[in-house]
Parts: sequence; C-alpha cells; structure tokens
Amino acid sequence: EDQVTQSPEALRLQEGESSSLNCSYTVSGLRGLFWYRQDPGKGPEFLFTLYSAGEEKEKERLKATLTKKESFLHITAPKPEDSATYLCAVQARNYGQNFVFGPGTRLSVLP
Amino acid sequence: NAGVTQTPKFQVLKTGQSMTLQCAQDMNHEYMSWYRQDPGMGLRLIHYSVGAGITDQGEVPNGYNVSRSTTEDFPLRLLSAAPSQTSVYFCASSSQGDEQFFGPGTRLTVL
Repeated sequence: EDQVTQSPEALRLQEGESSSLNCSYTVSGLRGLFWYRQDPGKGPEFLFTLYSAGEEKEKERLKATLTKKESFLHITAPKPEDSATYLCAVQARNYGQNFVFGPGTRLSVLP
Repeated sequence: NAGVTQTPKFQVLKTGQSMTLQCAQDMNHEYMSWYRQDPGMGLRLIHYSVGAGITDQGEVPNGYNVSRSTTEDFPLRLLSAAPSQTSVYFCASSSQGDEQFFGPGTRLTVL
C-alpha cells in the first residue's frame, strides 16, 4: 500500500533560521513527488514536482530534493510569510490520478 | 482566468439530506479530481475524471457520486449526508495529470 508520512508535524522557526521538512514515502514505482503549500482556509498551491532520485528544484527560499525513499524541503532564511502548511504527495506509475498525500507539516516563522 | 472555482464556500446539512458541490475550471484541463481534507489526515481522493464522460473512484468514494458532462464542470453529489462526511472538500484540475490546481474549498458540516 502506498504511504506518505511527513515530519515534523509542526515546526516553529525564528525568522532567518534555516531548516528542513521531511517527506518519507512508500510507493510501488514512483511517477512523481509533489510539494504544495497550503495557507489557512485556502486550497493547496503547487510548488514543485520531482521525478527521479537526485533531482533538485529551487524557488526563492525553498529547495526540494529527492532520494529513493524520501524528499526534503529545505527552507533557507525563512520569513514570516513562509508560514503555512507544506504538503507532500506521491503519484505511482500504475495508478494514474490516484495521488497519495501526506498529513503535512505546519510551519510557523516568527519575526 | 478564474482558475478553479467551487460553490458553496460553506454548507450545513442534516443527516439524510442530499446536495451537490459545484466545481468549475476555465483552463481547459482534462483532469479533474475531488478530495476531502480532515484534521490530521492528508487529502484523500474521492473521485476523479480524465476527461468528459470518464470518471473513476479514488480512495474514499462511498456516499459520493460524480459525473463529467463537460470539460469545465465536475460536480460532486452527496446522496444521503452522514456526520462522517463533515469535512473540507477540494476540487482540483490538471492539464497533464501531474501538477494540480486546487479550488478554495467547501466546508461542509453534517448534523
């Protein structure tokens, strides 16, 4: 059974304090791993797609990396506006549109 | 472009009532999906569609029906509401079946 776990469940950082969020997955044949950002009361917003181990993608203060068993979302010098819940999802090759989402990491960046 | 729109934003139902959650997208995307999001759990896929006239079940389809008569619209029907269906519902669309664009959500309470 495909599974996605995320850690930590919640993370509080001071502004400028870099850290990483973890997404561990079990899937029979990974087609893609996705990161989304979700603000309170809103729908998730796409950030990155990673397709193969070793791949990295960057956007402003965020960098996503992928290994065969996990993905990391690195946040460098975060600002309060980076506060949100970050969701990870996997898509298996054999299951088409059947994405499996993790529970998310709730990030708070304090000024 | 409005992107993905959902109505209503909030709804309260009594057990046994039926209703339809509306979802529309103006991006000409072939893929559309319905998810529910519950506290502490990831987004779970209810039903999805890979094009007009084609729908399939996701992880938690029981108690819900969908149809896709046009590319733009993908309504979700609750046949006989139950308290276990209290949740936040998100509709999403995708052009290639990978990166998804989410609507703002419908918060449903079943008493």
